[in-house]
Amino acid sequence: ETGVTQSPTHLIKTRGQQVTLRCSSQSGHNTVSWYQQALGQGPQFIFQYYREEENGRGNFPPRFSGLQFPNYSSELNVNALELDDSALYLCASSTRQGVGETQYFGPGTRLLVL
Amino acid sequence: GQQLNQSPQSMFIQEGEDVSMNCTSSSIFNTWLWYKQDPGEGPVLLIALYKAGELTSNGRLTAQFGITRKDSFLNISASIPSDVGIYFCAGQGSNYQLIWGAGTKLIIKP
Repeated sequence: ETGVTQSPTHLIKTRGQQVTLRCSSQSGHNTVSWYQQALGQGPQFIFQYYREEENGRGNFPPRFSGLQFPNYSSELNVNALELDDSALYLCASSTRQGVGETQYFGPGTRLLVL
Repeated sequence: GQQLNQSPQSMFIQEGEDVSMNCTSSSIFNTWLWYKQDPGEGPVLLIALYKAGELTSNGRLTAQFGITRKDSFLNISASIPSDVGIYFCAGQGSNYQLIWGAGTKLIIKP
């Protein structure tokens, strides 16, 4: 158990809808990163939040957005869902240490877009 | 998106055999991480490497951070059935992003 929780565990949406995924970070961690993992592939970095501000973004369009709250929990929002958005969405929490930063993952939210 | 070159893609081994897998990159990383992911779950950290040349063990697992900072390997000795799963390498640069390999699927033959 990493102490990182995500909700919901599974979700089915239709194309064009919007979705919000949630992540609670491990106690004492101030950084949350979000990843998209398509079936049979490694995770792809979406973005990272550090102390409530976006701190780095991967190659994802603006319809992928996020928030981090004062308690360091986080949300991932995806607008105008497309079929290719079907994937496992992972969040990872960590503490910015300056030298290396070990990320601990939640169990993920599996999103299916029909 | 960018990925590390991880090999082999899959391995079929007998219980008790040793396993070796590796990752290479064209970019330099400050940190190399090895994760294991079971079906329907998030990746679980196995070993973290922070210095070039570092060799670290965690039980039957041993991993090394290459001297050039562009590669890493993971060895598993005396494999057991619960070692089955997908193993991922991940490199972390100065921007704290994790860049991942495509995974090595470990299957243990009965």
